[in-house]
Amino acid sequence: DIVMTQSPDSLAVSLGERATINCKSSQSVLYSSNNKTYLAWYQQRPGQPPKLLISWASTRESGVPDRFSGSGSGTDFTLTISSLQAEDVAVYYCQQYYGTIPGSFTFGPGTKVAIK
Amino acid sequence: QLRESGPGLVKPSETLSLTCAVSNGSITTSLYYWGWIRQPPGKGLEWIGSIYYSGSTFYNPALKSRLTLSVDTSKNQFSLKLTSVTAADTAVYYCASLGRWQQLVLYWGQGTLVTVSS
Repeated sequence: DIVMTQSPDSLAVSLGERATINCKSSQSVLYSSNNKTYLAWYQQRPGQPPKLLISWASTRESGVPDRFSGSGSGTDFTLTISSLQAEDVAVYYCQQYYGTIPGSFTFGPGTKVAIK
Repeated sequence: QLRESGPGLVKPSETLSLTCAVSNGSITTSLYYWGWIRQPPGKGLEWIGSIYYSGSTFYNPALKSRLTLSVDTSKNQFSLKLTSVTAADTAVYYCASLGRWQQLVLYWGQGTLVTVSS
């Protein structure tokens, strides 16, 4: 199984400042035959289900503000919130979805983002 | 849209049963698997299992001996049964739709808290 880790566990950022979350996979999630990276980011606001923000490591879902960006390749990935807004207070999870067998995906442990 | 329903309190050693109603779309679509994901209070996300509308099932190995997923296409819903529950099964249970060809969790229900306690 691919194990996902995230850092930091939590961070506090001032409104309008940049927040950076790191995610690492225990093996590469780049599928060489199609050159696609099977890494996603989800946002879970308090009391809400998670919401898909970014897929394929860097592709924002429809309606996701452009202050959210994903980057990275291979085993190391980053989610950046360029200018933190109050509504961005949430836990952020990375997920690898490299396998084709249903259920062969794993989430990271999450990073909690708060306002400083 | 996905909506979970079922008891919020289950006694230890009994069976946890939940149903997920699918609306604004057909459960027989070829685009999705239908799945369950749980989140213990204050903790991370754990995949429980997935089912295709044809009835093909895929279970988390850690839960496989206690788990049954089923689908009712006539009612546009799918269900979960988890037997012999303990306090460790206390969690928010989400039903979800997962991509057929890439396992993104595309849509989530609002979740339902199930507490295992006597």
